[in-house]
Amino acid sequence: EIVLTQSPTTMAASPGEKVTITCRASSSVSYMDWFQQKSGTSPKPWIYDTSKLVSGVPDRFSGSGSGTSYSLTISSMEAEDAATHYCLQRSSYPLTFGSGTKLEIK
Amino acid sequence: QVQLKESGPGLVQASETLSLTCTVSGFSLTTYHVSWVRQFPGKGLEWMGRIRSGGNTDYNSALKSRLSISRDTSKSQVLLKMNSLQTEDTAFYYCARVTTVALFDYWGQGVMVTVSS
Repeated sequence: EIVLTQSPTTMAASPGEKVTITCRASSSVSYMDWFQQKSGTSPKPWIYDTSKLVSGVPDRFSGSGSGTSYSLTISSMEAEDAATHYCLQRSSYPLTFGSGTKLEIK
Repeated sequence: QVQLKESGPGLVQASETLSLTCTVSGFSLTTYHVSWVRQFPGKGLEWMGRIRSGGNTDYNSALKSRLSISRDTSKSQVLLKMNSLQTEDTAFYYCARVTTVALFDYWGQGVMVTVSS
C-alpha cells in the first residue's frame, strides 16, 4: 500500500499569502488528485491528474509534482479557501488518501 | 443532474453486518464506476472499493474478506455489505461516481454509521 504523507497538518495563512501544501508518496505514483472539504460537506474534487483544475476551481489554485512529491499551491489566499485538502493516489491499489491539511485564514 | 444518495442504518451492533445503499440519478451505472469511501471521526479517508461500469469489482485488500459491493441497475442502486463490524468501523460512508479517467467527480452527502459494542 502506498502511504501518502501530507504537510503541514494544519496551517493558517493571511489573505493574499501564497500557500503550498505537500503530499509525499512512499512509492512513485503517476498522478495525484486533490480534494477540498469544508466542515459538514462531502469532499469535492479540486485538482486531478496532478495539475488539471476541476471546472469551477479558481485559477489561483495549481498543482504540480512527479514521482513521490506533489504539491497544491494557492497563489493568493482568500477566505473561501479555508478548508481541509486531501491528496489521493490512484496509481496503485488500494487507492489511498493523504491524512489532510487543514488550512485556516488568519 | 447527477446525484448520489447513501442510505442505511445509523447504528449497527458490533459483529453484525452493515448494509448500505447508494441510489444514483442523472447517469447510468453501466457507464460510470461507483466507489465507496469512508471517513473516520478523526477525518482520515479510506477507499473501500468500487464496482466498475462493466460490473466487476475491486476491493481494498484490508477489507476484502469482509466487504461486498454489488448493484441493481434496474433500480440505479449500488449496494455495500460489510460483515463482522467493529467499533473501528464507525465512520461516515460515501459513495462517489468515478469517471473513465478515474476522477471522483460527484459524491453523495454521506451517511454516518456508528458501531456500538
